Amino acid sequence: DAEITQSPRHKITETGRQVTLACHQTWNHNNMFWYRQDLGHGLRLLHYSYGVQDTNKGEVSDGYSVSRSNTEDLPLTLESAASSQTSVYFCASSEGPGETQYFGPGTRLLVL
Amino acid sequence: AQSVTQLDSQVPVFEEAPVELRCNYSSSVSVYLFWYVQYPNQGLQLLLKYLSGSTLVESINGFEAEFNKSQTSFHLRKPSVHISDTAEYFCAVSGSGGYNKLIFGAGTRLAVHP
Repeated sequence: DAEITQSPRHKITETGRQVTLACHQTWNHNNMFWYRQDLGHGLRLLHYSYGVQDTNKGEVSDGYSVSRSNTEDLPLTLESAASSQTSVYFCASSEGPGETQYFGPGTRLLVL
Repeated sequence: AQSVTQLDSQVPVFEEAPVELRCNYSSSVSVYLFWYVQYPNQGLQLLLKYLSGSTLVESINGFEAEFNKSQTSFHLRKPSVHISDTAEYFCAVSGSGGYNKLIFGAGTRLAVHP
């Protein structure tokens, strides 16, 4: 069965370190998304991609970057982790407009 | 640009009682509307969606939502809830013009009590 996976599921890091969160989907979807979830804010869009070599900034992109070298993967990089980036991060993919977004299980990140 | 307001952050309800979770949106373009559900320690799952056509949409587990364009609302209802419906519910909107990035509301925590 097709799926979307995230790794690691939990991560503790220190302020200033670079961190990369992996997202891998086997749906063969062109569209992929990264969100962060914080209490009282719901999910906020960080970055998204509509295909290989395409990346776009979302509503809260500062301090984050993504790259899309193939259809299956969209890694999220925190260039210099800050305590404000402690959150739960979700990756999602979809086939196109109006189609269901399928979410990964999430990565819980703690920045000390 | 779109935005979503979920009017209740928490909704406590007794088992077998009806429930309504409220969602209002704003947008300058035609929209698609979604309800997602998140069970504890899991990712989000699609509950139901409105794209076009009938304004009343239903899910397989008894939830329904009605698109009201004049009131810019997409409220979620269930006539009789179960303990297993305890979860966080998110309303989301996307433009219908060819892109499907979602804008989410802050979420409503539904707590069903025996």
